[in-house]
Amino acid sequence: DAKTTQPNSMESNEEEPVHLPCNHSTISGTDYIHWYRQLPSQGPEYVIHGLTSNVNNRMASLAIAEDRKSSTLILHRATLRDAAVYYCILRRNSGGYQKVTFGTGTKLQVIP
Amino acid sequence: AAGVIQSPRHLIKEKRETATLKCYPIPRHDTVYWYQQGPGQDPQFLISFYEKMQSDKGSIPDRFSAQQFSDYHSELNMSSLELGDSALYFCASSLGLGGDTDTQYFGPGTRLTVL
Repeated sequence: DAKTTQPNSMESNEEEPVHLPCNHSTISGTDYIHWYRQLPSQGPEYVIHGLTSNVNNRMASLAIAEDRKSSTLILHRATLRDAAVYYCILRRNSGGYQKVTFGTGTKLQVIP
Repeated sequence: AAGVIQSPRHLIKEKRETATLKCYPIPRHDTVYWYQQGPGQDPQFLISFYEKMQSDKGSIPDRFSAQQFSDYHSELNMSSLELGDSALYFCASSLGLGGDTDTQYFGPGTRLTVL
């Protein structure tokens, strides 16, 4: 799997937007950009994924750079429940049953 | 909505004992993955099954084995347990269709403590 680079940690005030960056300069044309998060003492949780276009769902938005070498996960209004480690992962579209390779991730702290 | 079920949630074993972890995927999901997360570490992929056949293998010790049964549930068998096997073990399931639809849904994990 191609490598991603994320900041080790970030802070945000509650109810403010959060932009979590991810660099993936070696991304290939068939790599999907996935985001997972892991709340304390819980299993990882799927957040969002995309290929080229920006994506929105009930949890977050994903902004993908035009050259696809970077992306940003946007939490529109951070809550205390969003405090977690956020993983940016590239997954190749080469068939099913692909493992998820977790990198270091960004630990998000939400300040009340 | 139904989620991935793992049992037991907590397990305490002595060194050199054996342990069996069970995973029940989301209904209609045919692919199961196992991950190990040591203290302060990120989850590491162990092994996966698609339609009851092993589909991929990661850094799984030879002391560990796993299988997926006809009802798609999976079991991770761990023998000759070592202190270093103490970790959270996550199971995830997916539809296994690949590409855009291959989202993995994780269970709550089994916390294994080896004394």
